Amino acid sequence: LAKTTQPISMDSYEGQEVNITCSHNNIATNDYITWYQQFPSQGPRFIIQGYKTKVTNEVASLFIPADRKSSTLSLPRVSLSDTAVYYCLVDPDSNYQLIWGAGTKLIIKP
Amino acid sequence: DTGVSQDPRHKITKRGQNVTFRCDPISEHNRLYWYRQTLGQGPEFLTYFQNEAQLEKSRLLSDRFSAERPKGSFSTLEIQRTEQGDSAMYLCASSPLVNREWVNYGYTFGSGTRLTVV
Repeated sequence: LAKTTQPISMDSYEGQEVNITCSHNNIATNDYITWYQQFPSQGPRFIIQGYKTKVTNEVASLFIPADRKSSTLSLPRVSLSDTAVYYCLVDPDSNYQLIWGAGTKLIIKP
Repeated sequence: DTGVSQDPRHKITKRGQNVTFRCDPISEHNRLYWYRQTLGQGPEFLTYFQNEAQLEKSRLLSDRFSAERPKGSFSTLEIQRTEQGDSAMYLCASSPLVNREWVNYGYTFGSGTRLTVV
C-alpha cells in the first residue's frame, strides 16, 4: 500500500506553472519526500527531494508545510516535453525499499 | 560513466523458459536495486544489494526469481520457468551509500528491460 496519495491525472498548457500536490498523512520523522518523473519506456528520473519548507533546483520547486503531511511539486513554465508521470514518495532513511503509488499523469497541451 | 545500463532492452520468451537480465550500475554507487513495473503502476521493489551482499528481498517475490551481484559490480536478475504474469518492465537502479549524500541525486534508474512472456 502506497504511503502517498496524488491525483491520477492533470492537464495544463505550455508556459503555465503546474503544481502537483501529494498527501502523506503518516509520514515519519526520518522520512524525506522525493519526486520522480517518468517518460514512457524509460526508468524514473529523480527531480527533487526535501525534508521541510522549500527546496528549489534548476528543474522544480518543492513546498512542504510545517506538519509535513503534504507536499507540492511546482514546475515553472511547462513545455510539451514535461508530459510524463510524476511520482511522489516518502523515503525512509534506510532508502532501500521505496513504495511507489501510481503517480500523476501530467499532460501538457499546446 | 553513462549512467545505469540494462541489457537487453526487450526480451520475448515462451512460457516456461528461463531468462536473465543484466544491470551495470554507476561505478561509484554501492547500492543496487531491482524493481518491476507493470503498465499504469509505479515500480514495485524486488531486491537490493549493498556491494555484493543481497540485503533485502521482497516477500512477494517468487522463488523463481534470483539475483546476484558478484564482486559488487554488475548484477543479474534471473527468472526461472517464466509465466505470463512475469511480463513487465524490469528496472535497475543504483545509488551511493554515504549518509544520505545521495539526497541530491536520488536513485539513478536504467531504461529497463521489457519482458514479454508468450
